Amino acid sequence: DAGVIQSPRHEVTEMGQEVTLRCKPISGHDYLFWYRQTMMRGLELLIYFNNNVPIDDSGMPEDRFSAKMPNASFSTLKIQPSEPRDSAVYFCASSLLSGGEQFFGPGTRLTVL
Amino acid sequence: RKEVEQDPGPFNVPEGATVAFNCTYSNSASQSFFWYRQDCRKEPKLLMSVYSSGNEDGRFTAQLNRASQYISLLIRDSKLSDSATYLCVVRASGTYKYIFGTGTRLKVLA
Repeated sequence: DAGVIQSPRHEVTEMGQEVTLRCKPISGHDYLFWYRQTMMRGLELLIYFNNNVPIDDSGMPEDRFSAKMPNASFSTLKIQPSEPRDSAVYFCASSLLSGGEQFFGPGTRLTVL
Repeated sequence: RKEVEQDPGPFNVPEGATVAFNCTYSNSASQSFFWYRQDCRKEPKLLMSVYSSGNEDGRFTAQLNRASQYISLLIRDSKLSDSATYLCVVRASGTYKYIFGTGTRLKVLA
């Protein structure tokens, strides 16, 4: 299995631009999670899906952030408009079981200038 | 108070040493516990789950103390390859939300 796939791996953009991060979970996994990691705050859960349905988005910082999962093999995290404080590494993870191991993708390193 | 707290370190230890990390959690309803390992500029990966009775995997031993609300990770006979950040992870009952600690950085020195 290819594991969780994320794209792009690196993104540099200017403040005010729209940013779209993409994730392909491991085939057959029912849960998909989006995290943000910074030095100051560590790894924070933004939102998670079960069977393509958003279950908990309480970690989404504000209305500038949105996430979708149109099918079992694809999810997006969008930031519009982006701000410098959004600079972080964004990880996508998937799991087969509700309380089981989460498999992380390699992350997208976002820099907003 | 943070939901999951860890000493950030770094813990600098010589090869062959034994090192232990603790992690405290604030939600007494927490049900599942894990240790993840994260190498520099890489994604986190599961090291081991933590069971109520404690569990061991080779040189690694994890323990849970529900009364004091902490979990621990013991690494024996440290190897250079153990150098990484160790993340404590907690999941509360009734939710699939995983809370990660900010990690403890370990450096094993030759």
